[in-house]
Amino acid sequence: GIQVEQSPPDLILQEGANSTLRCNFSDSVNNLQWFHQNPWGQLINLFYIPSGTKQNGRLSATTVATERYSLLYISSSQTTDSGVYFCAAFYNQGGKLIFGQGTELSVKP
Amino acid sequence: DAGITQSPRHKVTETGTPVTLRCHQTENHRYMYWYRQDPGHGLRLIHYSYGVKDTDKGEVSDGYSVSRSKTEDFLLTLESATSSQTSVYFCAISESIGRNTEAFFGQGTRLTVV
Repeated sequence: GIQVEQSPPDLILQEGANSTLRCNFSDSVNNLQWFHQNPWGQLINLFYIPSGTKQNGRLSATTVATERYSLLYISSSQTTDSGVYFCAAFYNQGGKLIFGQGTELSVKP
Repeated sequence: DAGITQSPRHKVTETGTPVTLRCHQTENHRYMYWYRQDPGHGLRLIHYSYGVKDTDKGEVSDGYSVSRSKTEDFLLTLESATSSQTSVYFCAISESIGRNTEAFFGQGTRLTVV
């Protein structure tokens, strides 16, 4: 079936630490995206990454499409990185955009 | 920022009343989506549209209907609101579902059914 699964569900970091979030997806979805939902509820696009690696400042993402997973790296974390990180992918047939359950990140000062 | 406007942003309504939420886009994107977000459930797809007058159900469509009479507007209607429909509702748009496309989200609508 259509599956997008994220791990870990929760993560607590000390400011300055690095972290890796994972997203596994089934073979019926593609065009993976990463979003950050900030404490005010806004969903911010981080990366569109169907394959390969992209970097944006302290954040980077890698998708290995042949092995059906994507990783989001956060380096030198800051308190403003707190929130929920979602991955999502389009279902190959019909256009549904399916979300993982999210990873709730809390960065402590 | 993608041109997506959700209205209203906040609404309190009584059980049993009809409610319509509006998503308006200025990007001329083909695909539009309605999600609800509840604690512990992430974002769940209610309905989506792949063109004018073309819609399909998502995973939590019971109790909701949608309409898309023009490209820029996607309406979500709760025919008879229930307390279980208290949630935050998000609209999203996407130009396509093929390669080199991204989905973008509106600011959300917080609906409380009392």
